[in-house]
Amino acid sequence: DIQMTQSPSSLSASVGDRVTITCRASQSINTFLNWYQQKPGKAPELLIYTASILRSGVPPRLSGSGSGTEFNLTISSLQPEDSATYFCQQGYTTPITFGPGTRLEMK
Amino acid sequence: QVQLVESGGGVVQPGRSLRLSCATSGFTFGSYAMHWVRQAPGKGLEWVAVISFDGSHKYYADSVKGRFTISRDNLKNTLYLQMDSLRADDTAVYYCARDSIAGHDTWCFDLWGRGTLVSVSS
Repeated sequence: DIQMTQSPSSLSASVGDRVTITCRASQSINTFLNWYQQKPGKAPELLIYTASILRSGVPPRLSGSGSGTEFNLTISSLQPEDSATYFCQQGYTTPITFGPGTRLEMK
Repeated sequence: QVQLVESGGGVVQPGRSLRLSCATSGFTFGSYAMHWVRQAPGKGLEWVAVISFDGSHKYYADSVKGRFTISRDNLKNTLYLQMDSLRADDTAVYYCARDSIAGHDTWCFDLWGRGTLVSVSS
């Protein structure tokens, strides 16, 4: 199985900050990497697919990059509504696996 | 309106069975692969199973293989998860999720239901 890790596990940042979350795969997954945002009590929502393609309606301050085994989710200017948990997920092969999540809080 | 609505969750004793349903609307259900994903209380996301658009292919997480069965009824636009031999560690919110591109297995979840809670306890 492909193991996914994320760093940091949590972070606290201020409005306007630039924030980067890193996701690593235990083997190459090409660009079959997706990012989700989950707010408390809600279902996850797809943000970015195929490593770098922003889903329609997602604000352009979010971006994704990477390929192979290392990927980043960047928020260029943090907004209060970005407070959430972010998960990466590999879609390269089954079993499909998620990263453990990064909890992003506002200072 | 495009939506997924799960039902069938509840409290069940270890070793018993439960069947979850996911009623869909607003899109051509029979064109999409569908998934179940679960989340234990306070924990991360765990993929459970996928079924191809026509039901011909199914894949499972090792943690549920042999105990859970995913199925679909394309006439009723409904996805199912039959869960047998339930264990305490199956306790979770169960989400159904749609694969993102009709006719392709992208393993990317673009539409999620609100989830249904399954609690396995004696």
